[in-house]
Amino acid sequence: EIVLTQSPGTLSLSPGERATLSCRASQSVSSTYLAWYQQKPGQAPRLLMYDISTRATGIPDRFSGSGSATDFTLTISRLEPEDFAVYYCQQYATSPLTFGGGTKVEI
Amino acid sequence: EVQLVESGGGLVQPGRSLRVSCAASGFSFDKYVMHWVRQAPGKGLEWVSGLRATGDSLGYADSVKGRFTVSRDNAKNSLYLQMDSLRPDDTAFYYCARALSGGWGPFLYWGQGALVTVSS
Repeated sequence: EIVLTQSPGTLSLSPGERATLSCRASQSVSSTYLAWYQQKPGQAPRLLMYDISTRATGIPDRFSGSGSATDFTLTISRLEPEDFAVYYCQQYATSPLTFGGGTKVEI
Repeated sequence: EVQLVESGGGLVQPGRSLRVSCAASGFSFDKYVMHWVRQAPGKGLEWVSGLRATGDSLGYADSVKGRFTVSRDNAKNSLYLQMDSLRPDDTAFYYCARALSGGWGPFLYWGQGALVTVSS
């Protein structure tokens, strides 16, 4: 099983600041099958990025993804008020599919 | 418009069984991999299981293996999760999700979730 470790657990920032979220895999994620999701309270997760760096439809370009093999990053260039949420990474290359534990971005 | 609607959640005693369902609409259900993901209240996301369009399983999380069974009925555009020998730590929102395209993931569409509470 590929274990995904996200850091930090909580990121305290202000609107307009840059957010850098990390996701580290216990083994290499093949075929670039790494995604990021955003989840707000009381809502289902929303797909942000897939294949490491491809934005899902409708996702603003202040969100970007990078990385390879075992180290991945989600960057939010300038935080908007609606970006304060919990973010999860996921690998969908190998069964069991796995999620990271999440990073909460708070004001 | 793609819609996934879960049903069948509720309160169940430890050791009992429950089946949750997911009704899909707005797309060709028989062409996509479908998944179950759960989230305990206040906790993170956990993939439970997935099923190819053909009905072949993608496997199960270790935490549910041997107790949960996923199935689908392409004629009814429905996905199911049969949960047996339920335990209190199975308490969670259970989401069904559809893959973006023809592969296993990522998960583009999600239902609103069905709450399953396991308690005596």
